[in-house]
Amino acid sequence: QKEVEQNSGPLSVPEGAIASLNCTYSDRGSQSFFWYRQYSGKSPELIMFIYSNGDKEDGRFTAQLNKASQYVSLLIRDSQPSDSATYLCAVNDRDDKIIFGKGTRLHILP
Amino acid sequence: KAGVTQTPRYLIKTRGQQVTLSCSPISGHRSVSWYQQTPGQGLQFLFEYFSETQRNKGNFPGRFSGRQFSNSRSEMNVSTLELGDSALYLCASSLGRTEETQYFGPGTRLLVL
Repeated sequence: QKEVEQNSGPLSVPEGAIASLNCTYSDRGSQSFFWYRQYSGKSPELIMFIYSNGDKEDGRFTAQLNKASQYVSLLIRDSQPSDSATYLCAVNDRDDKIIFGKGTRLHILP
Repeated sequence: KAGVTQTPRYLIKTRGQQVTLSCSPISGHRSVSWYQQTPGQGLQFLFEYFSETQRNKGNFPGRFSGRQFSNSRSEMNVSTLELGDSALYLCASSLGRTEETQYFGPGTRLLVL
């Protein structure tokens, strides 16, 4: 059973600090990795995608991928109360199915 | 560009009934995927359609089926509804290659009584 694992949280981070969200996946054949943000009662929206090992930065967000360790993370710098949401890690496995983790609830403390 | 639309937004059914949900993708998108989201199981992949063909399927019973029309609009059908089918059903569209970004619709919230 291919899996994507995330800590369910809640992860509480003070406003202005760095929030670090982590995700591990089981299928070594996975090629594409996505981070989605989902506000309560809303549908997921894409924040970042990453395909290659290393870091990818977009504004306050940085995605980090380590395929050898089967690990992908999302860093949010200068955290804002509006960043409070559930963050979903998604992986495109070798069968071309998108598998989602159950998400990490992030709470930014004002 | 208009986003992904789903109808209806809310639905109440009783056990044993069947239901059809509709999804209209972003213009130009040829791939439509369906997901079921519940608090306990999270977001689970149901199936994906591309150019009117089912390209991939998740681990759901045969009561769950779908189709895609020539204009890329997609429908999902659930027959013989069970209480456990109560969930948020999301569809997502993309241009077509599976590694590309998916854009989610607002979802259909189904309650089975």
